[in-house]
Amino acid sequence: DQQVKQNSPSLSVQEGRISILNCDYTNSMFDYFLWYKKYPAEGPTFLISISSIKDKNEDGRFTVFLNKSAKHLSLHIVPSQPGDSAVYFCAASDIQGAQKLVFGQGTRLTINP
Amino acid sequence: DSGVTQTPKHLITATGQRVTLRCSPRSGDLSVYWYQQSLDQGLQFLIQYYNGEERAKGNILERFSAQQFPDLHSELNLSSLELGDSALYFCASSVDGAGGQYEQYFGPGTRLTVT
Repeated sequence: DQQVKQNSPSLSVQEGRISILNCDYTNSMFDYFLWYKKYPAEGPTFLISISSIKDKNEDGRFTVFLNKSAKHLSLHIVPSQPGDSAVYFCAASDIQGAQKLVFGQGTRLTINP
Repeated sequence: DSGVTQTPKHLITATGQRVTLRCSPRSGDLSVYWYQQSLDQGLQFLIQYYNGEERAKGNILERFSAQQFPDLHSELNLSSLELGDSALYFCASSVDGAGGQYEQYFGPGTRLTVT
């Protein structure tokens, strides 16, 4: 039972354009959502998070949107840069209960020059 | 650099053996989490410790155990190792809600290869 799903294993975007990564979840108890970026042979790096009381959070080039009714969140990266090429993981947590993170399978983003 | 350290970086051992992975959390973080990343399972939560006490358990095998010491570093012990235990093991730490922050910060991981 995969509670957090990233349906696109890979995404290719031209440098300077917008990258949109998507994530769906099934557990309505999740109330905190995070995006991590991961390079090979390194640990996941925290990018941005959003609480379920918000529908948008922005940090520089990164914006996360949350649609609770659709149980869907997305990460927008504008403008995309070559250094953004990595695997991106969506994660969810029930902060009122155990705060463990439940991860999606990841999306490999490639930014083309 | 997340501030979370893990040792060793790589570990190669034989089936049936026992290993210990070590993690030091970020300064001030009381919670430590362990995750396993294998090729077919993605990142899976194993166990959480908060200020020395076990707080939550995930899909952790009975052959695996962990503890958190008074100085807040944590160790993950893996015994009777099998080929399928080969994976990346990550430690993460968090302030767990202090200041409304719930982000977990990950260490660089330990790559375990069981031969």
